[in-house]
Amino acid sequence: EAGVTQSPTHLIKTRGQQATLRCSPISGHTSVYWYQQALGLGLQFLLWYDEGEERNRGNFPPRFSGRQFPNYSSELNVNALELEDSALYLCASSPGTSGRNGETQYFGPGTRLLVL
Amino acid sequence: AQSVTQLGSHVSVSEGALVLLRCNYSSSVPPYLFWYVQYPNQGLQLLLKYTSAATLVKGINGFEAEFKKSETSFHLTKPSAHMSDAAEYFCAVSDRDNDMRFGAGTRLTVKP
Repeated sequence: EAGVTQSPTHLIKTRGQQATLRCSPISGHTSVYWYQQALGLGLQFLLWYDEGEERNRGNFPPRFSGRQFPNYSSELNVNALELEDSALYLCASSPGTSGRNGETQYFGPGTRLLVL
Repeated sequence: AQSVTQLGSHVSVSEGALVLLRCNYSSSVPPYLFWYVQYPNQGLQLLLKYTSAATLVKGINGFEAEFKKSETSFHLTKPSAHMSDAAEYFCAVSDRDNDMRFGAGTRLTVKP
């Protein structure tokens, strides 16, 4: 069974540009989560999508946005890139809420974004 | 909101020695607790998960963790460290709505 996949593995952008990161969840999973892992800051929760809807959002500015497609894959968009957006962006998936709590999240390898 | 605190950003042990990584949690409801490991340039891999079925949870690679409600702790241990255990370890807590919060991480170094 394929795990969570993310593309691209590396992305280099300049300040002010836009970045698009993609994630495909484990087959059968409907929930997708996005995290930012900046150097020295640990994992910071960005967004959670389930069944195509945004369920929760972390403490990030609106220029961080995303969406989930009907096939449950997801896209994270970062507009007006700033130098401090340089980080590893991790995507995770879980089977889906359906009233359940505490689901295990399975992580992809991440996309490393460098903003110059 | 729930949270976790990992005591010690860096832990160094000798090969064959006991590994103890500390995690304390805060949650208003019975929590789900997780330990993940991250090897360099990789994503996070689940080591183990506490779901209230048993207070002592056994995970992969010889790791285990004990849930202690009275101490609000969920420390990760391994009796004998291997060089391959060198990585960063994250404790996480989830209570409502799959909202998972991670600790800051503990980097484990294993000396030969």
